[in-house]
Amino acid sequence: GIQVEQSPPDLILQEGANSTLRCNFSDSVNNLQWFHQNPWGQLINLFYIPSGTKQNGRLSATTVATERYSLLYISSSQTTDSGVYFCAVKTQGGSEKLVFGKGTKLTVNP
Amino acid sequence: DTEVTQTPKHLVMGMTNKKSLKCEQHMGHRAMYWYKQKAKKPPELMFVYSYEKLSINESVPSRFSPECPNSSLLNLHLHALQPEDSALYLCASSQGGGGQPQHFGDGTRLSIL
Repeated sequence: GIQVEQSPPDLILQEGANSTLRCNFSDSVNNLQWFHQNPWGQLINLFYIPSGTKQNGRLSATTVATERYSLLYISSSQTTDSGVYFCAVKTQGGSEKLVFGKGTKLTVNP
Repeated sequence: DTEVTQTPKHLVMGMTNKKSLKCEQHMGHRAMYWYKQKAKKPPELMFVYSYEKLSINESVPSRFSPECPNSSLLNLHLHALQPEDSALYLCASSQGGGGQPQHFGDGTRLSIL
């Protein structure tokens, strides 16, 4: 099955810093989503981005489908950005199964 | 995502109890999913319903029994669970078919005594 690798596994930032999270995947995809799971367990949709670039406030994401990677940019980080960021993909022509990476745990200190 | 509603938010049950988790969406989505998430791990798919029919069962033990009464509702019936079944159970929905995004509920945190 498809492999999804996220890096780095852990990231500690000071408030106000910028960061880039990476997601590599091993096969062609027709769905790629970035999620933020907050400390209360809520899994929040950040982006649906199988290709191209999107921006939402301080967050933006880019997926280069031909090179099988996606990047999530967080600018001017805030303590509320802390949590785990997951990348999840679904393969083209595959089943409805969404495969998650292991996540990047982000801690933003005041 | 708050468009998918899960109840209860927390559930504590004994190994001999029978309980059900409920999930509801009113976005007109035709596919619904159950995921299980253990601490410090990513969510793992359990079941997929497409157009109210079970389309994927990821070799889940029979003590978990899914049910899709209609296109808006998804239940997960629990019976004779083990302590290792304690986890966060997440429901999701999507328009189904191909690369449509999945929208998740807030989950039910289940503890088995």
